[in-house]
Amino acid sequence: LAKTTQPISMDSYEGQEVNITCSHNNIATNDYITWYQQFPSQGPRFIIQGYKTKVTNEVASLFIPADRKSSTLSLPRVSLSDTAVYYCLVGDRDNYGQNFVFGPGTRLSVLP
Amino acid sequence: GAVVSQHPSRVICKSGTSVKIECRSLDFQATTMFWYRQFPKQSLMLMATSNEGSKATYEQGVEKDKFLINHASLTLSTLTVTSAHPEDSSFYICSATAGGVLEQFFGPGTRLTVL
Repeated sequence: LAKTTQPISMDSYEGQEVNITCSHNNIATNDYITWYQQFPSQGPRFIIQGYKTKVTNEVASLFIPADRKSSTLSLPRVSLSDTAVYYCLVGDRDNYGQNFVFGPGTRLSVLP
Repeated sequence: GAVVSQHPSRVICKSGTSVKIECRSLDFQATTMFWYRQFPKQSLMLMATSNEGSKATYEQGVEKDKFLINHASLTLSTLTVTSAHPEDSSFYICSATAGGVLEQFFGPGTRLTVL
């Protein structure tokens, strides 16, 4: 089971770029990396997913180095509404049981 | 994106009663659904995994006789908390995936308060 480690909390200011790094030293060959965002009293929301190198969508980028032992979620120009908890998950397509172990996540606070 | 709904959004019940929570995938067929529990200021904890038409697989430490899960169709799964007690008060969240897809689609959650 690929365990993940993230910073417990981060602070940022509006308009800044935020990078949240997740460590997953024992990631397996078939594992993908998925990031979710959760607001209080809501279900998590999918942000981005990747396997290697870089993935970008309309809300974030995901950087994965060659050894895949870590990944970095990059949020460009954050706003107050990006204040949330961000979770990094690691798992493969064929073994759902391992996919969905949520770590404590990173609590991002965006300040005005 | 795919939409998952939960009903009710919040429920308050007396100790000893049973509560049923529904999870529906509105615009896709969910081959697998998951149930999580989340206590305040804590992360999500997976309770069980259910596939349509088969028995749910419960995580270690989760009582299957207390948390009954039924996945009768490709769009509906239900979680029944039987003989609820105050310590069962929590935020219950379901999610669903469409076969072969790694991304989970989460419901909005159900806040259960047991008095």
